Amino acid sequence: EVQLVQSKTEVKKPGESLKMSCSTSGYSFSSYWIAWVRQMPGKGLEWMGIIYPEDSDIKYSPSFEGQVTFSVDKSISTAYLQWSSLKASDTATYYCARHGHGPLFAALDYWGQGTLVTVSS
Amino acid sequence: EIVLTQSPATLSLSPGERATLSCRASQSVGSYLAWYQQKPGQAPRLLIYDGSKRASGIPARFSGSGSETDFTLTISSLEPEDFAVYYCQQRAGRLTFGGGTKVEIK
Repeated sequence: EVQLVQSKTEVKKPGESLKMSCSTSGYSFSSYWIAWVRQMPGKGLEWMGIIYPEDSDIKYSPSFEGQVTFSVDKSISTAYLQWSSLKASDTATYYCARHGHGPLFAALDYWGQGTLVTVSS
Repeated sequence: EIVLTQSPATLSLSPGERATLSCRASQSVGSYLAWYQQKPGQAPRLLIYDGSKRASGIPARFSGSGSETDFTLTISSLEPEDFAVYYCQQRAGRLTFGGGTKVEIK
């Protein structure tokens, strides 16, 4: 069974750093692109970018380039999203999701449960 | 960037009624369009991919149609668990989502 399990809720202050995780199981981690998606409170879904675990090829959305960093640890089938200096406007739920293969390539077929990040002084 | 415009923003219907949701792309996306359902406090769930293919485990009352710039998600007969927000998404260019349609109980 394919599973993506994300790290717990975070409460941070502006300027603090954060690294959240997306632990996967049930499939070949290295062979599927992983996407990160932001959802601000009461709003829609925003694509942040994707990472290919096999070679860490990364494509950031222009809206997020320079603001966040994607990485993976293939040895434990886990993807990461990190910030070096959080802002109040980073308050949101963040999802990791897997891109499918073949006809499913253009879709996100499995999702993590989401990590809520609250940034407040 | 390809912009997806969903309409209506809110659809008020009763259980058993038919729901028709629209997604229009600012330029052709071929068939690279997917639909997701999101309930409060939950992650989105893939319903339809490649314009019209149902994802694994999705009931037959959900169907997708369209191509190029105009797409439709139809729920043939609303069940109580179908009241949720629905998003379309394309990946012909850089991946983008539509703004969502909320299907609420009338």
